[in-house]
Amino acid sequence: DQQVKQNSPSLSVQEGRISILNCDYTNSMFDYFLWYKKYPAEGPTFLISISSIKDKNEDGRFTVFLNKSAKHLSLHIVPSQPGDSAVYFCAASYNFNKFYFGSGTKLNVKP
Amino acid sequence: SQTIHQWPATLVQPVGSPLSLECTVEGTSNPNLYWYRQAAGRGLQLLFYSVGIGQISSEVPQNLSASRPQDRQFILSSKKLLLSDSGFYLCAWSSWRDGNTDTQYFGPGTRLTVL
Repeated sequence: DQQVKQNSPSLSVQEGRISILNCDYTNSMFDYFLWYKKYPAEGPTFLISISSIKDKNEDGRFTVFLNKSAKHLSLHIVPSQPGDSAVYFCAASYNFNKFYFGSGTKLNVKP
Repeated sequence: SQTIHQWPATLVQPVGSPLSLECTVEGTSNPNLYWYRQAAGRGLQLLFYSVGIGQISSEVPQNLSASRPQDRQFILSSKKLLLSDSGFYLCAWSSWRDGNTDTQYFGPGTRLTVL
């Protein structure tokens, strides 16, 4: 049973445009959400997070939006750069400290 | 600063052989520790997590096991590897801060190929 889903396995965007990566979850107990970026053969690196008490968190070019009623999370990257090309995982957790990950979206930013 | 180590970086093992992957964390005490696997074309799957020494929770029934003999050491083992155990294994740690779940930090990973 996949509690966190990323329904788009890949996304291609032109450099300078906005990249929007989406994530849906089913467990209303989740209270903390994260986005990770992963290059091949490396461990994921933390990008940005949001607590369930907020609906938006911004860090430079990265903004995460949380819609609790829709159980939907999105990551916006503006402007997109070729170095952003990687696999992006969304993750969710609740107070047992377990983290659940989506299957990832491969972002390709074309120069 | 905190650092997480994993070894080996790559491993090729025959079917039926044993496995031992080690993960250690520096610069923090009493971390929560995790083992994940990323199989080809799939997302990150939580295998085990531990909130303290000797405390292991298993998420997925399998032929793998985990142990935490010391506060900052987490070991993933198998007595007999299967072909389906091939994948990229990641160790991660997190900590509580002010009662809130903290961010999770990942090690460099181990690429396991079972032949």
